[in-house]
Amino acid sequence: ETGVTQSPTHLIKTRGQQVTLRCSSQSGHNTVSWYQQALGQGPQFIFQYYREEENGRGNFPPRFSGLQFPNYSSELNVNALELDDSALYLCASSLWGSPYEQYFGPGTRLTVT
Amino acid sequence: RKEVEQDPGPFNVPEGATVAFNCTYSNSASQSFFWYRQDCRKEPKLLMSVYSSGNEDGRFTAQLNRASQYISLLIRDSKLSDSATYLCVVEREFGNQFYFGTGTSLTVIP
Repeated sequence: ETGVTQSPTHLIKTRGQQVTLRCSSQSGHNTVSWYQQALGQGPQFIFQYYREEENGRGNFPPRFSGLQFPNYSSELNVNALELDDSALYLCASSLWGSPYEQYFGPGTRLTVT
Repeated sequence: RKEVEQDPGPFNVPEGATVAFNCTYSNSASQSFFWYRQDCRKEPKLLMSVYSSGNEDGRFTAQLNRASQYISLLIRDSKLSDSATYLCVVEREFGNQFYFGTGTSLTVIP
């Protein structure tokens, strides 16, 4: 096991609602990246947090936002949920500057109805 | 154009077969390259890094061609346990941020 945990495991929301997903990084890691993986697709980079600030963002609208806390854990918030937001949301924990040791959590499966 | 292009397959091969996966990437500034493995409904896990000199890990061989912006993975003597989706991964310009390919599905048949 990687030591990266995510909660909740599964979630069902209604279109228009807001959701918060959580990620605890592996001990010693200071960087958290979030990815969205739609069914049958590879993960898509949402954004990354380092030193409690957003550090790089993929092609996702502002209703996708996040936080990183002093203990390096992180949250992903999605406002005004749309049906296309249904996906597996993965967080990846790493040490800044070490792409060879990036570990993914088990993911949160979000279903928007 | 997608950052990473990968043949989605599926590849269905008998046990013991050799199978090769390829992908191309568009950002010539990318510095780090990987193959990840993802089992059904699980998180991606690092299979191996990819270097220009080529690298081998048991039955797995990865190769990078920077001039052609092309990455390959060769699996020899396929096992049933190799059945999974193989994701080609390219680091963005910096900072542990990855572009993933769509993934290639492999099923090894007894």
